[in-house]
Amino acid sequence: DGGITQSPKYLFRKEGQNVTLSCEQNLNHDAMYWYRQDPGQGLRLIYYSQIVNDFQKGDIAEGYSVSREKKESFPLTVTSAQKNPTAFYLCASSIPGRGGSRNIQYFGAGTRLSVL
Amino acid sequence: KQEVTQIPAALSVPEGENLVLNCSFTDSAIYNLQWFRQDPGKGLTSLLLIQSSQREQTSGRLNASLDKSSGRSTLYIAASQPGDSATYLCAVRNFNKFYFGSGTKLNVKP
Repeated sequence: DGGITQSPKYLFRKEGQNVTLSCEQNLNHDAMYWYRQDPGQGLRLIYYSQIVNDFQKGDIAEGYSVSREKKESFPLTVTSAQKNPTAFYLCASSIPGRGGSRNIQYFGAGTRLSVL
Repeated sequence: KQEVTQIPAALSVPEGENLVLNCSFTDSAIYNLQWFRQDPGKGLTSLLLIQSSQREQTSGRLNASLDKSSGRSTLYIAASQPGDSATYLCAVRNFNKFYFGSGTKLNVKP
């Protein structure tokens, strides 16, 4: 079955440590996204990528980094510069552009990151 | 910048009731609007997608409408069931970015 796989489900970060969240998709989508969700709030865009080897900052990119070396993979690194990393992180993919009726955004199950 | 607002933030209804969730957005230049369901601690599941040229979409007991000129969408749920309890989020797409509301948390009481 096609879908988006995020790992791990739970992640703990020590102070000063960088951690990487994995996102893999087999939907053959060009566009991929990383969002952060805090309790009772909507999703805020961290980074997005429309094509391999290219990505853009979203609204809250500070303290995060990404790479897009393969179409299927879009890992997110939460760096030590992110002082408040505790949140639920969601990865998504879609067809770029208008896409018509196929232009649905699909989501992974999420990774919950906590600080030790 | 696009701002998306959802009202109410929470809603509790008895089973069997019909209900309406509201979503408003500030920039009408959207590609589409999507309604999602989110269960606690889970990812988002797409419910309905309305293209900017469409007025409504239906799936089972769900009906979503879109009035792009006024910046509003509604999600109508008919004959609500306890299994409908979840948080419902709307998102609009401007170019290559999606903007989300903060959601409506729905509780359907048996």
